Amino acid sequence: QVQLQESGPGLVKPSQTLSLTCTVSGGSISSGSYYWSWIRQPAGKGLEWIGRIYTSGSTNYNPSLKSRVTISVDTSKNQFSLKLSSVTAADTAVYYCARDAGLQFYFDYWGQGTLVTVSS
Amino acid sequence: AIRMTQSPSSLSASTGDRVTITCRASQGISSYLAWYQQKPGKAPKLLIYAASTLQSGVPSRFSGSGSGTDFTLTISCLQSEDFATYYCQQYYSYPITFGQGTRLEIK
Repeated sequence: QVQLQESGPGLVKPSQTLSLTCTVSGGSISSGSYYWSWIRQPAGKGLEWIGRIYTSGSTNYNPSLKSRVTISVDTSKNQFSLKLSSVTAADTAVYYCARDAGLQFYFDYWGQGTLVTVSS
Repeated sequence: AIRMTQSPSSLSASTGDRVTITCRASQGISSYLAWYQQKPGKAPKLLIYAASTLQSGVPSRFSGSGSGTDFTLTISCLQSEDFATYYCQQYYSYPITFGQGTRLEIK
């Protein structure tokens, strides 16, 4: 059973960079044709896909965030990471990591989510 | 980006009821649609993909239909554990997008 777990600071100051890591357990991040995504959800609001990465390093980003987002992967640690730069209060949200099956770009495994608050 | 619009935004129903939630895409997405259930404080859970394929382990009272621009999620006999928020998601084109959610409440 694949499990995903987000980790990182819960509080980030405005204009700084938000950094989160997702650790995958129960299987290798490199096995199969899976992509690994970040999705966020502001309190009481809907879901926004941020971007995804394949273990080759190939990435896709949401154009609305592309200029500020970097997603990377460390296969040796079975982890992938998110960096979001120049954050504002609008970036306050629960951040989820999730797995999708590539061409079948829906999410079958999710992390529990981690709340990141942007505040001084 | 493709806009996904769900209706209604909220819905009150009773245990045992049959309910239908609609999701409309701003352009045709074939059958590249998934449905998720989210309970408070929890991650979304995949219910249906490819518009009508039930994810493994999901009860058969959940069903999905549609193609092109109009889709429905039906719960045939509501159980207490089904009261949650439901989201549709298109994966026809980048960026993938979600509907705004339908909150299913106990009447």
